[in-house]
Amino acid sequence: AQTVTQSQPEMSVQEAETVTLSCTYDTSESDYYLFWYKQPPSRQMILVIRQEAYKQQNATENRFSVNFQKAAKSFSLKISDSQLGDAAMYFCAYLETSGSRLTFGEGTQLTVNP
Amino acid sequence: EAGVVQSPRYKIIEKKQPVAFWCNPISGHNTLYWYLQNLGQGPELLIRYENEEAVDDSQLPKDRFSAERLKGVDSTLKIQPAELGDSAVYLCASSFPGGGLAGGRNTGELFFGEGSRLTVL
Repeated sequence: AQTVTQSQPEMSVQEAETVTLSCTYDTSESDYYLFWYKQPPSRQMILVIRQEAYKQQNATENRFSVNFQKAAKSFSLKISDSQLGDAAMYFCAYLETSGSRLTFGEGTQLTVNP
Repeated sequence: EAGVVQSPRYKIIEKKQPVAFWCNPISGHNTLYWYLQNLGQGPELLIRYENEEAVDDSQLPKDRFSAERLKGVDSTLKIQPAELGDSAVYLCASSFPGGGLAGGRNTGELFFGEGSRLTVL
């Protein structure tokens, strides 16, 4: 079974600084999708960024980018120019290409200090 | 366009009582998910529907949990009887068919509701 591990339960960053959240996963599949989801205190989970495993280029979405290392099974999220609104729980997630089950990591609670 | 709607947002019950949660997915999303999220943890899948069919319910504790999705739209998740350990947030999500990976419209993205927080006393 696939597993997703986030080794940082909590992280903090100063406003306008850069922070990197770590994620590793375990799979025997060669093709899959990886995601970072954000869950603010209101609890509605929203997608931050998505990476297809067959693509070598790292995904970017404005201030959010990933460092996808397929051989190392690593998928970190970099948040640049951190804003107060970035404070939330961030979940790394894995989806096999059959689309059958989205597996989440344990989450990283990000605090942004003014 | 309305997002995934869940109700109630909060529910407090005594143990051994029944409870039900309702979910209305995004229009056009044939796939519906119920996730359980314990405090400080990532969501765990309880059940996944493709239209009316439950295609993955291997994680659903069937002795006390049940779910239905009549007419392939709204869904309800029921717990009877509730136990102290059932206190958690129950998340509903929806997506295009197959988890969103087949076909040009799909992105693999799940759209979540705000969740229903259950407290069992």
